[in-house]
Amino acid sequence: QKEVEQNSGPLSVPEGAIASLNCTYSDRVSQSFFWYRQYSGKSPELIMSIYSNGDKEDGRFTAQLNKASQYVSLLIRDSQPSDSATYLCAVGNNRLAFGKGNQVVVIP
Amino acid sequence: GAVVSQHPSRVICKSGTSVKIECRSLDFQATTMFWYRQFPKQSLMLMATSNEGSKATYEQGVEKDKFLINHASLTLSTLTVTSAHPEDSSFYICSANPSGYSNQPQHFGDGTRLSIL
Repeated sequence: QKEVEQNSGPLSVPEGAIASLNCTYSDRVSQSFFWYRQYSGKSPELIMSIYSNGDKEDGRFTAQLNKASQYVSLLIRDSQPSDSATYLCAVGNNRLAFGKGNQVVVIP
Repeated sequence: GAVVSQHPSRVICKSGTSVKIECRSLDFQATTMFWYRQFPKQSLMLMATSNEGSKATYEQGVEKDKFLINHASLTLSTLTVTSAHPEDSSFYICSANPSGYSNQPQHFGDGTRLSIL
């Protein structure tokens, strides 16, 4: 089993809709969970960090963490064309493991 | 805050050339920095962990004699791709977080796109 899995394929959402991304991880002792956004040809940029169970909201983004079920999710509300990118889930303590990413395409 | 600078942003060179990439933490100190490689349409793959004042820790399958890492100060790590060949062409990215804050997010440099002819 891979350390961090993001299994869904490219996600197309209409502008203004909610994009939902999921990520599961295998290492139960992980303490830190991050979502990064990566535009094509660019390096990842941090959009959300979450450390405890529950929801964390920051603007149009909400991260949800469930350590018992070992999953972390990201919701993007009111999706904008500028949200079109690949979203990477990262899990770990100091050394991070990254998922393969989910491509999101927001259709105007 | 927490800015990581990476240089150069792009390198195009002939096969057999050695290429050095620098990663600097501009406004914080980092005892640990990380080097990743990303091939097109694939995720980030951790190559090695750079440790200030000591040897780097390489991931399985990464040749330490091929990818030389030096972390001589708390703000600078370098990755040298020795005798680069076309299969080494990739996007190399470094990251770091402030020393003493292991659970803080890593901040990435802008990456170096390496093309070996």
